[in-house]
Amino acid sequence: KAGVTQTPRYLIKTRGQQVTLSCSPISGHRSVSWYQQTPGQGLQFLFEYFSETQRNKGNFPGRFSGRQFSNSRSEMNVSTLELGDSALYLCASSLVAGPNTGELFFGEGSRLTVL
Amino acid sequence: DQQVKQNSPSLSVQEGRISILNCDYTNSMFDYFLWYKKYPAEGPTFLISISSIKDKNEDGRFTVFLNKSAKHLSLHIVPSQPGDSAVYFCAAENNNAGNMLTFGGGTRLMVKP
Repeated sequence: KAGVTQTPRYLIKTRGQQVTLSCSPISGHRSVSWYQQTPGQGLQFLFEYFSETQRNKGNFPGRFSGRQFSNSRSEMNVSTLELGDSALYLCASSLVAGPNTGELFFGEGSRLTVL
Repeated sequence: DQQVKQNSPSLSVQEGRISILNCDYTNSMFDYFLWYKKYPAEGPTFLISISSIKDKNEDGRFTVFLNKSAKHLSLHIVPSQPGDSAVYFCAAENNNAGNMLTFGGGTRLMVKP
């Protein structure tokens, strides 16, 4: 079956702009979470959505937001981009969200460069 | 405050030998631990996991050991193969907090032929 699909794969923005990243989870998966990967901070949790509701949020400023649609597809948005937002943004899906959830299935990521 | 730490940024082993990757955590609320492998330009892929009620889980060449009292886990790969060369991430979660993984910084494993 198709894996987690993220679009776009690469994008370049300038400071102050905003960006929207998209994630299509594995068919049937209802939980979508987002992570930011940078060389200095590693993989950091951004937020998780389940059934269109945000269940958890990481320690990121309000410029980072997301949403999930009824078909489980998710988008994340970063407004007023800063140089430090340059990173690989990874989306992961899971069948459910709860005890013993186990593994997440990650997409290949969207690499954002802010100039 | 790094709740999950992988103190070795890199590890080099000979093909056929054992690779041991280590991970330490500080949050006693973590009750589920996972290892992910990541190749360049790809997303992390799940490798193996262990619940806090166990101290060992084995899957083929991969075994994860958990020492709760020491808040330490390790991944053993035996025998190591060149295709195992990748970055390995340790991750931890509190199962009651949903899919919110806390990752370590990763260890780059290089398996030499």
